[in-house]
Amino acid sequence: AQSVSQHNHHVILSEAASLELGCNYSYGGTVNLFWYVQYPGQHLQLLLKYFSGDPLVKGIKGFEAEFIKSKFSFNLRKPSVQWSDTAEYFCAVTTSGTYKYIFGTGTRLKVLA
Amino acid sequence: GAGVSQSPSNKVTEKGKDVELRCDPISGHTALYWYRQSLGQGLEFLIYFQGNSAPDKSGLPSDRFSAERTGGSVSTLTIQRTQQEDSAVYLCASSPSGDLLFFGSGTQLSVL
Repeated sequence: AQSVSQHNHHVILSEAASLELGCNYSYGGTVNLFWYVQYPGQHLQLLLKYFSGDPLVKGIKGFEAEFIKSKFSFNLRKPSVQWSDTAEYFCAVTTSGTYKYIFGTGTRLKVLA
Repeated sequence: GAGVSQSPSNKVTEKGKDVELRCDPISGHTALYWYRQSLGQGLEFLIYFQGNSAPDKSGLPSDRFSAERTGGSVSTLTIQRTQQEDSAVYLCASSPSGDLLFFGSGTQLSVL
């Protein structure tokens, strides 16, 4: 069965620092990849997604992620974080032909002002 | 409605009691999902419904858990004989086509 691993459980950064959150999945076939974010007190919402094409995907609020098929990875990046980026970030995968989303355990990001 | 609606928002129950959690998806969304969110466990897949197809129940942790979706719309997640380890936030999400999930605000379940 497919699974998603997020190795960073808690990350603390100062404002303006660069961010990279790791995401690895286990599935050998075609996948669709997602990052969702949950800001404090809010619903989970989509940050960005990859289905096909350019492996470098840009999302909202300056976030981007790169799909590296050979490494089964979809790491999330942001060059300069802001205090408002404090949230929990979840990586997710679906496999081609299904709508079953498998999520990672999440990474709690705290940005210090 | 404008979004996915879940009720109740909070539920406190005694160990051994049954509980029902309700999800009202966005109108027209064919896919509906239930997840359990607990500290350190992330989002645990429970079950998903896609149109008229048989639901994928592979994530239900035990036979105490069941879910149904009536008329392709409202869904109810039932937990029988609740245990303390069932305490978590239960999230519902719906999707028009599977490429984007819309989440509700969840039901915080506390089993005493």
